[in-house]
Amino acid sequence: AQTVTQSQPEMSVQEAETVTLSCTYDTSESDYYLFWYKQPPSRQMILVIRQEAYKQQNATENRFSVNFQKAAKSFSLKISDSQLGDAAMYFCAYRTPAMGQGGSEKLVFGKGTKLTVNP
Amino acid sequence: DAGITQSPRHKVTETGTPVTLRCHQTENHRYMYWYRQDPGHGLRLIHYSYGVKDTDKGEVSDGYSVSRSKTEDFLLTLESATSSQTSVYFCAIRPQGQETQYFGPGTRLLVL
Repeated sequence: AQTVTQSQPEMSVQEAETVTLSCTYDTSESDYYLFWYKQPPSRQMILVIRQEAYKQQNATENRFSVNFQKAAKSFSLKISDSQLGDAAMYFCAYRTPAMGQGGSEKLVFGKGTKLTVNP
Repeated sequence: DAGITQSPRHKVTETGTPVTLRCHQTENHRYMYWYRQDPGHGLRLIHYSYGVKDTDKGEVSDGYSVSRSKTEDFLLTLESATSSQTSVYFCAIRPQGQETQYFGPGTRLLVL
């Protein structure tokens, strides 16, 4: 069974600095997708970034980028120029591509990392 | 905004009572999901649907049932609520052809 591990329950960063959140996963699949979601105090789950396993190039979305190491099954999130609004829980998630009717529809989440941004 | 609403947003109920949570979407998405979020567990899939009247179980489906009689609504029912079902429940959709799931605002359920 696929599992996702976030080894850092809490992290903190100074405003304007860079922080990296770790995520590792376990799978025997070769084709899959990885996600980082952000959950601010409002509880809304917001997609931050997505990575397709078949793409070697690391995904980037503005100040957010990932370091995807397929062989090591590692998917870390780097937040540059941290802002107060980045404070939230961050969840790493994994899923296999949908195949046929229904397919593998389970999105497997890690337990989350709480990020604090200090002014 | 993925056009997803959940109702109610907050509910307090007593053990043994039935509870139905509603997820409504406005964009005709085929795929819909129910998750629960508990401290220390992240989000876990309860049930999902891949079309009207087509549903399947997730990893924590015991004690829950679902129904989808029309595309826009996906209902989650707790037949006889227990304190272990106190949680925050999220609905999600997945646009066809995409791999990303988008989440609703959540429902906080307290079972006393």
